Amino acid sequence: RKEVEQDPGPFNVPEGATVAFNCTYSNSASQSFFWYRQDCRKEPKLLMSVYSSGNEDGRFTAQLNRASQYISLLIRDSKLSDSATYLCVVNRGEYGNKLVFGAGTILRVKS
Amino acid sequence: NAGVTQTPKFQVLKTGQSMTLQCAQDMNHNSMYWYRQDPGMGLRLIYYSASEGTTDKGEVPNGYNVSRLNKREFSLRLESAAPSQTSVYFCASSQPGVSSLHFGNGTRLTVT
Repeated sequence: RKEVEQDPGPFNVPEGATVAFNCTYSNSASQSFFWYRQDCRKEPKLLMSVYSSGNEDGRFTAQLNRASQYISLLIRDSKLSDSATYLCVVNRGEYGNKLVFGAGTILRVKS
Repeated sequence: NAGVTQTPKFQVLKTGQSMTLQCAQDMNHNSMYWYRQDPGMGLRLIYYSASEGTTDKGEVPNGYNVSRLNKREFSLRLESAAPSQTSVYFCASSQPGVSSLHFGNGTRLTVT
């Protein structure tokens, strides 16, 4: 079993739709959590950190449930430009060398 | 401000050949990393350098060596390439204690 699991998708949604991705992690000692975005054939880029209380950045909302060990990302009012792969990332420690990446969920937003 | 720069962007090697992937960052970050990304798998850490003068193995170090030449540069060497090393390689950097990484554009390596 992978330490960080994501539904690979693809999720095909129309513009304007709301879409949610989930991610589960197996290491209960994990300390911090992130969503990265990766466009096709490009490098990953940090989308947002995920805090226990939940956090929002514009159309994006991230939630963390430590008890159930899952992380979610909600995208409202999807845009064509949101089409990408979304990587769930968990940090087992305090430093960057302890990051564990999920394989990613593909989102395709269609007009 | 270029961020993290990797070279080359593409490379094709024959089995047994050697090559060095170069990485440089201009953000004055202390920590640098090399990852590989394969289809259906998350990025996996090959080696990292917490600070200038130190390097440590990550999850998949076999078949690779690294050099932290100075604070800016961190190179990855394949001494004898194997088809299993066909992958996309990403260099990244961060400040210590900060989990978010800045990635380079990647190197697509094919070993035949």
